[in-house]
Amino acid sequence: DTAVSQTPKYLVTQMGNDKSIKCEQNLGHDTMYWYKQDSKKFLKIMFSYNNKELIINETVPNRFSPKSPDKAHLNLHINSLELGDSAVYFCASSQGRGGAFFGQGTRLTVV
Amino acid sequence: GQQVMQIPQYQHVQEGEDFTTYCNSSTTLSNIQWYKQRPGGHPVFLIQLVKSGEVKKQKRLTFQFGEAKKNSSLHITATQTTDVGTYFCANTGTASKLTFGTGTRLQVTL
Repeated sequence: DTAVSQTPKYLVTQMGNDKSIKCEQNLGHDTMYWYKQDSKKFLKIMFSYNNKELIINETVPNRFSPKSPDKAHLNLHINSLELGDSAVYFCASSQGRGGAFFGQGTRLTVV
Repeated sequence: GQQVMQIPQYQHVQEGEDFTTYCNSSTTLSNIQWYKQRPGGHPVFLIQLVKSGEVKKQKRLTFQFGEAKKNSSLHITATQTTDVGTYFCANTGTASKLTFGTGTRLQVTL
């Protein structure tokens, strides 16, 4: 039973398209995150939600819009995809300041 | 914003040798977490340290939090090929913002 699951695992799409990545956690955690990992492996926080409320938005272009319908789900919608959006996107969850549990990642390739 | 630097960026060791990665911050950290990411995988939480000078062990791994809470280290004794991956430190700052260090990639060869 996967603790943090995100779909899809791979996403190949053309520039200008709109795409969504879904994330669900069954750990009962109150905090969920989206991270972007580039080719140099840096893990950069994009958004953080606590009990469905946005608490961190790290200067991410407004083409990226997170949505949390409930505290177990945090989806990421991306409009007008650009080449520079190609990366691995990780969803994660934690209980307060405890350790974070990550999903398997979504490898996004924009062509 | 706060940045947590890790050194080295990359280390290549022979199996059986020891390995250490260091995490340094210019500001006091509320806590330190360590993660391991295998090639092609996702970060996996290893441990959290919160007290000044704290030392914790997990089998061959020893984690330390500095007295001033501005640095931390992860030491692996007698590395094995299964230790290959990138090791990240991370810190939960204000508003539960979990910020990751730059990572240290470890390669282990026979």
